[in-house]
Amino acid sequence: DQQVKQNSPSLSVQEGRISILNCDYTNSMFDYFLWYKKYPAEGPTFLISISSIKDKNEDGRFTVFLNKSAKHLSLHIVPSQPGDSAVYFCAARSNTGNQFYFGTGTSLTVIP
Amino acid sequence: EPEVTQTPSHQVTQMGQEVILRCVPISNHLYFYWYRQILGQKVEFLVSFYNNEISEKSEIFDDQFSVERPDGSNFTLKIRSTKLEDSAMYFCASTRLQAGETQYFGPGTRLLVL
Repeated sequence: DQQVKQNSPSLSVQEGRISILNCDYTNSMFDYFLWYKKYPAEGPTFLISISSIKDKNEDGRFTVFLNKSAKHLSLHIVPSQPGDSAVYFCAARSNTGNQFYFGTGTSLTVIP
Repeated sequence: EPEVTQTPSHQVTQMGQEVILRCVPISNHLYFYWYRQILGQKVEFLVSFYNNEISEKSEIFDDQFSVERPDGSNFTLKIRSTKLEDSAMYFCASTRLQAGETQYFGPGTRLLVL
């Protein structure tokens, strides 16, 4: 039951260019979305979030876009830096509970 | 900066044995969670805990699993009789208030069941 999907398992981007990570969801009850970054042997680290009442949230180099009609969100990183190389997880929460649903992650490699 | 800690970092056990994974959430946080990630797969929710009781659990969290907050700081996950398929990375997380807030994750415990 894959309610949150990240269809690209990996992405490579040149340093300085834009990285775009995508996430799709199926549950229309999801009202809060987050992006987490994960380095090997560490727990996920919160990056940025967006509520369903917004369509964009920006924090420095990171911007999350939400398209509710398409049930799609994306994370833009610009400019990409080698230190951004990590696995990025999209997560969503239903307005009916506490549970967060995670995607399978996208491994981003930023090439110097 | 406050952080969630977990012990041990790695645990190897024999199938059928009991394991207890420990977590110390951030001190002023009230909601606690366990997740697991089987190698190469997604992070999966196991259970959420608030006010000394389970508030939500997934279908993965069957009778073999239990959680406890034995004192004011620790939050534990017990697997009563481990199976091979319990091998995974187990993450503890906490939030200050109810979900809708960012969950802060610990570094994880890698459990290997032989």
